[in-house]
Amino acid sequence: LAKTTQPISMDSYEGQEVNITCSHNNIATNDYITWYQQFPSQGPRFIIQGYKTKVTNEVASLFIPADRKSSTLSLPRVSLSDTAVYYCLVGDMGGSQGNLIFGKGTKLSVKP
Amino acid sequence: GAVVSQHPSWVICKSGTSVKIECRSLDFQATTMFWYRQFPKQSLMLMATSNEGSKATYEQGVEKDKFLINHASLTLSTLTVTSAHPEDSSFYICSARATGNNSPLHFGNGTRLTVT
Repeated sequence: LAKTTQPISMDSYEGQEVNITCSHNNIATNDYITWYQQFPSQGPRFIIQGYKTKVTNEVASLFIPADRKSSTLSLPRVSLSDTAVYYCLVGDMGGSQGNLIFGKGTKLSVKP
Repeated sequence: GAVVSQHPSWVICKSGTSVKIECRSLDFQATTMFWYRQFPKQSLMLMATSNEGSKATYEQGVEKDKFLINHASLTLSTLTVTSAHPEDSSFYICSARATGNNSPLHFGNGTRLTVT
């Protein structure tokens, strides 16, 4: 499984765009990149997943360069409620395989 | 979207007793479920993989006789913490993946276990 590296923490202000980058230098061909959000005393919540290039949904965008050795989660116009820990996970998604191992995550603090 | 339900959300028990935590996939079948443990201000640590109809696979350092896992149906996995001790106090989270390629993990809301 590919090891991931993220910044431990980030600060932002309401209304700003936040970009959190994750490094995964030894990502394998079959690995997908998945981002989760976790609030205190809650289970992680799926945000977005991608394999290459760019993926966008109603809450975020995920940018993946051609070499796939990193990825960037982009949160547009954050609010106070986006204060949480964000985890980047990399793993094989096929079938029953792909136990995803959590790294340390990035603690995002959004200030008014 | 896929929903994973976990019960109870919190439990307090005395040392030496056993506690069972349930994890259900509500709108999909899950042949595989995963159990995590999270201590305060730390990341999630994978404890074991629960396989429907067969034995669970435990991560290194996790005692299989202490953390009993049963996955008797395609929608239910249980984790029993046996002979609980205060150091077992933690946040336990289960997850499951819907069938189909490239499905992400979906997580329950966790169970806060406090052993007194």
